[in-house]
Amino acid sequence: AQSVTQPDIHITVSEGASLELRCNYSYGATPYLFWYVQSPGQGLQLLLKYFSGDTLVQGIKGFEAEFKRSQSSFNLRKPSVHWSDAAEYFCAVKDGGSGNTGKLIFGQGTTLQVKP
Amino acid sequence: ETGVTQTPRHLVMGMTNKKSLKCEQHLGHNAMYWYKQSAKKPLELMFVYNFKEQTENNSVPSRFSPECPNSSHLFLHLHTLQPEDSALYLCASSWGTGEISTEAFFGQGTRLTVV
Repeated sequence: AQSVTQPDIHITVSEGASLELRCNYSYGATPYLFWYVQSPGQGLQLLLKYFSGDTLVQGIKGFEAEFKRSQSSFNLRKPSVHWSDAAEYFCAVKDGGSGNTGKLIFGQGTTLQVKP
Repeated sequence: ETGVTQTPRHLVMGMTNKKSLKCEQHLGHNAMYWYKQSAKKPLELMFVYNFKEQTENNSVPSRFSPECPNSSHLFLHLHTLQPEDSALYLCASSWGTGEISTEAFFGQGTRLTVV
């Protein structure tokens, strides 16, 4: 069965420090991978996506992620965190094959706290 | 204007009430989804509609009844809910399913409290 694991439930970083949020997935075929961000009381905003091609993808707000098939990972990074980045981050996977229903499988989420 | 709009944003209902959640997308997408986000649990898919046809029901109790009259509108009809149904209900849309499926865009959600 497909699954997504975000090992870190809560992370605290200082403003200006670098950030890496981990995501591991379990999926046998062609995965489509996503990172979403959710501010309190809000919906999910797409940060970036990976379908194919270059394994390093750039997203909005200065975020990037690297797909590593050998490690089944899709970690999210940002070189310098801003206070406004404090939110909950979700990694998600979707079946990229012809039979998929568009269903997204989400990880548990990582809450990011930014210290001034 | 957001691409996916949900109303109401907040809803409090009794266990014997009947209410409906509404979702409208302005993106020209063909697929629409309902997700449930409960505290301490991952987001769970509830239903998928593609070109107005339901293509997935993730074993959702019958007290939740979806309706998709056209590709732009999706409803979730609620009746005789339980307190454990209190959650954030998120609507999403995408270009479709299968190989043409792309990223999903989410609405702001409806925060439902069942009392």
